[in-house]
Amino acid sequence: GENVEQHPSTLSVQEGDSAVIKCTYSDSASNYFPWYKQELGKGPQLIIDIRSNVGEKKDQRIAVTLNKTAKHFSLHITETQPEDSAVYFCAASTNTGKLIFGQGTTLQVKP
Amino acid sequence: KAGVTQTPRYLIKTRGQQVTLSCSPISGHRSVSWYQQTPGQGLQFLFEYFSETQRNKGNFPGRFSGRQFSNSRSEMNVSTLELGDSALYLCASSREKNTEAFFGQGTRLTVV
Repeated sequence: GENVEQHPSTLSVQEGDSAVIKCTYSDSASNYFPWYKQELGKGPQLIIDIRSNVGEKKDQRIAVTLNKTAKHFSLHITETQPEDSAVYFCAASTNTGKLIFGQGTTLQVKP
Repeated sequence: KAGVTQTPRYLIKTRGQQVTLSCSPISGHRSVSWYQQTPGQGLQFLFEYFSETQRNKGNFPGRFSGRQFSNSRSEMNVSTLELGDSALYLCASSREKNTEAFFGQGTRLTVV
């Protein structure tokens, strides 16, 4: 069935370092891959997304890469700041529009 | 532009009761999806509505139901509550499927 695996489950970095979170999806029909950031007590916030016809997308300190052949996609955060500390979720969807989420990565950025 | 609004923010119910949660999407968005978030199971898809029709449904029992009104506002209902239904229920709105989905702050349901 549909499944998204996300690694690592926790990630601790020093302020200014880079952070990378990786996801693997199972359904080859998946064509839309959003990333969400969730802070304590809040709903998930969309931070970046990528479609299957694109290999990479960048928005300031955040980038996402997609390898359709390997069914992998990754989130890259450069120059991390303490306010980047949160839980990050990857997701994948097909044309049904149903988002299948990874289990989440708790990112801690130490000042 | 107002975001997705979910009410109430917190609810405490007793086992066996039923509950209704409400979601007002972003203006112009016709698709509303519901998700259940728990520490053990993560974010799981419940169902999606578009123009008052359920287009997609997740693997939840029939006790979980929903509807959408002509103004795109949506409600979900859980009947015969069980302790395991305690969770954060999140609503997301988008213009169409596979477009940017924006989440509300959620309704925290506690079943005692």
